[in-house]
Amino acid sequence: EAGVVQSPRYKIIEKKQPVAFWCNPISGHNTLYWYLQNLGQGPELLIRYENEEAVDDSQLPKDRFSAERLKGVDSTLKIQPAELGDSAVYLCASSPGDGINEKLFFGSGTQLSVL
Amino acid sequence: AQSVTQPDIHITVSEGASLELRCNYSYGATPYLFWYVQSPGQGLQLLLKYFSGDTLVQGIKGFEAEFKRSQSSFNLRKPSVHWSDAAEYFCAVGASGTYKYIFGTGTRLKVLA
Repeated sequence: EAGVVQSPRYKIIEKKQPVAFWCNPISGHNTLYWYLQNLGQGPELLIRYENEEAVDDSQLPKDRFSAERLKGVDSTLKIQPAELGDSAVYLCASSPGDGINEKLFFGSGTQLSVL
Repeated sequence: AQSVTQPDIHITVSEGASLELRCNYSYGATPYLFWYVQSPGQGLQLLLKYFSGDTLVQGIKGFEAEFKRSQSSFNLRKPSVHWSDAAEYFCAVGASGTYKYIFGTGTRLKVLA
């Protein structure tokens, strides 16, 4: 079974530039999460999707961050414009259901460096 | 509000020694508790979880954790550490009826040969 696939693995950009991250969840997983992981910290939820609907985006900085999950499968997270403080690892996770008891399957993440 | 504390940022143990990683949580009701491991360059992988029932839960890779309500703790243990266990370990708590996981700041484990 293929795991959660994220790309790119690394991204280096200059501040004020746009950047996008892509995630392909495990086939059949309806719930998709984007997490932010700062250096030395645990993951923090940015947004959660149930199929194509964003059901929790309360932690997403909507002035510069946007996300979409077309057709309820792949998802893209975008930052425009990027700031120095956005340097972090962006993790995508998926789960088969929407309960708190569901196991999360994580991708390897995209490490963003903003110069 | 929910919170998770992992008091040890770094832990170093010798290969073959026993291991205990501490996790304390704050939550008003019975929480859902998890331990995840993150190897370098990899995503997080679930080691074990606790929802109810037996307070000693077994996980993958020989890990176990014990839920102690009186101490608000969910410590992770392994009787004999292998060099491949070197990684970062995250404790997480989830509230029933929500979909929010709160992760701790992690404990980085170093294993000496």
